[in-house]
Amino acid sequence: GQQVMQIPQYQHVQEGEDFTTYCNSSTTLSNIQWYKQRPGGHPVFLIQLVKSGEVKKQKRLTFQFGEAKKNSSLHITATQTTDVGTYFCAGGWGAQKLVFGQGTRLTINP
Amino acid sequence: DTGVSQNPRHKITKRGQNVTFRCDPISEHNRLYWYRQTLGQGPEFLTYFQNEAQLEKSRLLSDRFSAERPKGSFSTLEIQRTEQGDSAMYLCASSPSGSLDTQYFGPGTRLTVL
Repeated sequence: GQQVMQIPQYQHVQEGEDFTTYCNSSTTLSNIQWYKQRPGGHPVFLIQLVKSGEVKKQKRLTFQFGEAKKNSSLHITATQTTDVGTYFCAGGWGAQKLVFGQGTRLTINP
Repeated sequence: DTGVSQNPRHKITKRGQNVTFRCDPISEHNRLYWYRQTLGQGPEFLTYFQNEAQLEKSRLLSDRFSAERPKGSFSTLEIQRTEQGDSAMYLCASSPSGSLDTQYFGPGTRLTVL
């Protein structure tokens, strides 16, 4: 079946350090979306990537979609305490549902 | 607030009881989704509506689960004869037609089955 694997499961960094989470699918995706969920909150949409090799930036966040459209990454430069939360990737295959990765929980030591 | 709303936010019930949750999507969003999220996991797809038509159901959705969207606006998710394993956060999301699956989530209903 359609699965999306995400690593690492947990990441603890010092404030100011960089952070990266990776997402992989065994099959080619039509698009991938990234969400952030704060502790006790609900997933909040961050961005969608559609094109092969696409790179998008939002301030300190950089999102990449692999050339084969099977993998993606989210990189945060110089983390801040407001970045704390769980980051999920979610894969789409053209059907309407999304398949979410397990998420990477980011904690930050101030 | 014109976001997705869900009610109730929390529900505690005893095993064997029936529960019903409601989701009000963003106005004019044609698509509505239900997901279930357990601690430490990503949301798992349950079912999806395009207007009032239920187009897909996950195998996770046993016979005890039923969802409706009678007028193509709000939706309800009912769980009959609840079991402890049904304890989870039930999330609703909506998206406008043609947006290539960008989904906007509500705050969720947290169900605890005792």
